[in-house]
Amino acid sequence: NAGVMQNPRHLVRRRGQEARLRCSPMKGHSHVYWYRQLPEEGLKFMVYLQKENIIDESGMPKERFSAEFPKEGPSILRIQQVVRGDSAAYFCASSPTSGRDSSYEQYFGPGTRLTVT
Amino acid sequence: KQEVTQIPAALSVPEGENLVLNCSFTDSAIYNLQWFRQDPGKGLTSLLLIQSSQREQTSGRLNASLDKSSGRSTLYIAASQPGDSATYLCAVVGNQFYFGTGTSLTVIP
Repeated sequence: NAGVMQNPRHLVRRRGQEARLRCSPMKGHSHVYWYRQLPEEGLKFMVYLQKENIIDESGMPKERFSAEFPKEGPSILRIQQVVRGDSAAYFCASSPTSGRDSSYEQYFGPGTRLTVT
Repeated sequence: KQEVTQIPAALSVPEGENLVLNCSFTDSAIYNLQWFRQDPGKGLTSLLLIQSSQREQTSGRLNASLDKSSGRSTLYIAASQPGDSATYLCAVVGNQFYFGTGTSLTVIP
């Protein structure tokens, strides 16, 4: 059973371009979470999705950021018109059950390191 | 708003020592708490999950405890090894998902 997969592992974008980060959850997992880790800072929750639904996006910046988890295919975190401050590691995690279930455990992908030049 | 604090921020110990990492949180209304390790430039590896109804979990040389009423969790590492060198993160799940900033551990051979 392959773990959580993220691609690309490294992404370089110039200011103003769009960044698309992909996350394939573990087989059988229908819950996906995105986190951002800024240099010298901890992981910050961004968004929690189930298939075709955004459950909690309270950690997402109001502008330029969006996420989706379609019925088929990976979850996508999209950043439009990137700025230097978007440079960070973006991690995706998946779980088999709801994030509010006490027995659930998050499994993390290796992350995508975004550099904005 | 939930705040998660990890102390110390960095720790350096000689090989073979037992050590304790601390995690505190301000809101005791949590579903569970999870400890992770993160190696430089890598993702997170889950170490232990403690459900809100549990007091501790053990895996090999690791033991994690949870005291919800006082808002604290500890990760105990027995007989530390150089391969344990990494950043250790605790995460609490309540209405949202909150991570501490981590403790950077160096085990000196």
